Amino acid sequence: ELKVEQNPLFLSMQEGKNYTIYCNYSTTSDRLYWYRQDPGKSLESLFVLLSNGAVKQEGRLMASLDTKARLSTLHITAAVHDLSATYFCAGIPRGGGADGLTFGKGTHLIIQP
Amino acid sequence: EPEVTQTPSHQVTQMGQEVILRCVPISNHLYFYWYRQILGQKVEFLVSFYNNEISEKSEIFDDQFSVERPDGSNFTLKIRSTKLEDSAMYFCASGQGMNTEAFFGQGTRLTVV
Repeated sequence: ELKVEQNPLFLSMQEGKNYTIYCNYSTTSDRLYWYRQDPGKSLESLFVLLSNGAVKQEGRLMASLDTKARLSTLHITAAVHDLSATYFCAGIPRGGGADGLTFGKGTHLIIQP
Repeated sequence: EPEVTQTPSHQVTQMGQEVILRCVPISNHLYFYWYRQILGQKVEFLVSFYNNEISEKSEIFDDQFSVERPDGSNFTLKIRSTKLEDSAMYFCASGQGMNTEAFFGQGTRLTVV
């Protein structure tokens, strides 16, 4: 059974600072996803990481995957208030076809001016 | 831009009643999912559906739940004999293939009273 652990679960930071959210998973995962959720809203897909060493960047967010360490990171550069949201990582066990995503508990990020 | 649509956005039902949550996945997607999120908690996988049959279900998805794709566009989740603990946001998602991200609908907030 795949377990996904995120840390921190809560993060308050100032605008302009950099920070990293960590996502560890327990067993081999075919792929790793990052989603953003605003309060009361749906989940917005941010990144899909398919292989070891994958790195993807979109604006101030960069995600990476290290399958050997079973670790993915979401790095925030020069944070702005608009990035305040809850960020979830999610994985699928290796061999999964249409298997569902196993989500972490989410990191509630607040960026203060 | 294509999106997953869900109806209703909010459903209130009495304990013991049956509810049907409806979803229209993105039209060229082949994989369909239901997830739920109890308020303030993580997103939990319920069931995946591919090629007109359930491909995987979680422990949550017991005999109380069923899914159906009654026509070429709709994907429904039926919850029989609802319980108070079924109160949650239910998200439908669809995906094009195994290595692509799932796109989530806006969710149906189910309140069982």
